[in-house]
Amino acid sequence: AQKVTQAQTEISVVEKEDVTLDCVYETRDTTYYLFWYKQPPSGELVFLIRRNSFDEQNEISGRYSWNFQKSTSSFNFTITASQVVDSAVYFCALSGNYGQNFVFGPGTRLSVLP
Amino acid sequence: DAGITQSPRHKVTETGTPVTLRCHQTENHRYMYWYRQDPGHGLRLIHYSYGVKDTDKGEVSDGYSVSRSKTEDFLLTLESATSSQTSVYFCATEEGLAPTYEQYFGPGTRLTVT
Repeated sequence: AQKVTQAQTEISVVEKEDVTLDCVYETRDTTYYLFWYKQPPSGELVFLIRRNSFDEQNEISGRYSWNFQKSTSSFNFTITASQVVDSAVYFCALSGNYGQNFVFGPGTRLSVLP
Repeated sequence: DAGITQSPRHKVTETGTPVTLRCHQTENHRYMYWYRQDPGHGLRLIHYSYGVKDTDKGEVSDGYSVSRSKTEDFLLTLESATSSQTSVYFCATEEGLAPTYEQYFGPGTRLTVT
């Protein structure tokens, strides 16, 4: 069965600090997708990234970066120079090649203090 | 903004009554998803669709059915609502044309079954 673990339930940082959110996954599929989502206090869901299991290149998008390591089954998310607006719950997720067996991690609540 | 709307946004219904939630998109995206979000369980996939009349089950499909007769509409039906189906329901669409990939979420429907 597929499983996603986000061991950090809550993290608090002070504005401008860097923060890394951990995501560890389990799957028997050879082809799969990994995702990150953001859910701010307003409640909407925002897609951040999807990564194919064959693409281990790290991704950077502005202050966001993602580190995919197949060897450790991890897909960690780093926010550089955090801002108050980054305060949200962040979910990591995993799916099979055709969208099947889509599972979310429990989420990490990030609080960025001014 | 991918123009995803959900209706109704809020609904209170009684146990045993049928309920249909509607997700409507204007972007002609092929994939559509229904999720539920509950405290303590996070986000879970109910059903998804990969085209008109093509649907498949997610992690928590029992008690739910879906239909997709048009690209733009994905309906989620609770045939006989139970209190355990009290939740916030999110619809999502997916645009997967290489090299870009995006997911878009609706605003959510808060359903209370009394």
